[in-house]
Amino acid sequence: DTEVTQTPKHLVMGMTNKKSLKCEQHMGHRAMYWYKQKAKKPPELMFVYSYEKLSINESVPSRFSPECPNSSLLNLHLHALQPEDSALYLCASSLLGRGEQFFGPGTRLTVL
Amino acid sequence: AQSVTQPDIHITVSEGASLELRCNYSYGATPYLFWYVQSPGQGLQLLLKYFSGDTLVQGIKGFEAEFKRSQSSFNLRKPSVHWSDAAEYFCAVGHLSGGSYIPTFGRGTSLIVHP
Repeated sequence: DTEVTQTPKHLVMGMTNKKSLKCEQHMGHRAMYWYKQKAKKPPELMFVYSYEKLSINESVPSRFSPECPNSSLLNLHLHALQPEDSALYLCASSLLGRGEQFFGPGTRLTVL
Repeated sequence: AQSVTQPDIHITVSEGASLELRCNYSYGATPYLFWYVQSPGQGLQLLLKYFSGDTLVQGIKGFEAEFKRSQSSFNLRKPSVHWSDAAEYFCAVGHLSGGSYIPTFGRGTSLIVHP
């Protein structure tokens, strides 16, 4: 299995809702990443997990809360988002010490 | 700090023509360089990477890239473009942080292919 899966594909939520994005990989990668991508822009790094521990938080607002319950799973919990948070959210994974990342297809998030 | 410049926002080529996408980087040490491709509404897919060794690297889908240290460049090439190559292309340089190589992406080049 050489893919990263993300659910849901699309999500529409109100500013008072709580929702979660899910990412899964079974490649044995111990580094996992969350990115945010706006239209016509490159991905922006949000969080990095190494060995299930948060190693990098790129000053992301607390309304985004990541979680890594085990080595295969990465969640992003969303609460009280703003319309400007609407974007494609990408998950990626990699072997530690290796540069190439494997990306999932993304979750298209719309905040109303 | 590292940075990546992709000077072309859009490139338009005819199907069957050759392609070169430009990428210049700024990095203090030996760079770890990547090219990724993204089709509309999809995630990124790695085309090829360079860390050391042969400066001409072969990737998937018939792409290649050449690392030129003297020019701080890592240009992507393909001898004959197919309509399915139309996509967004990102060059990236990786820096090591906390055991992971974190990519700094260029702004991307959108490839348009005419029939």
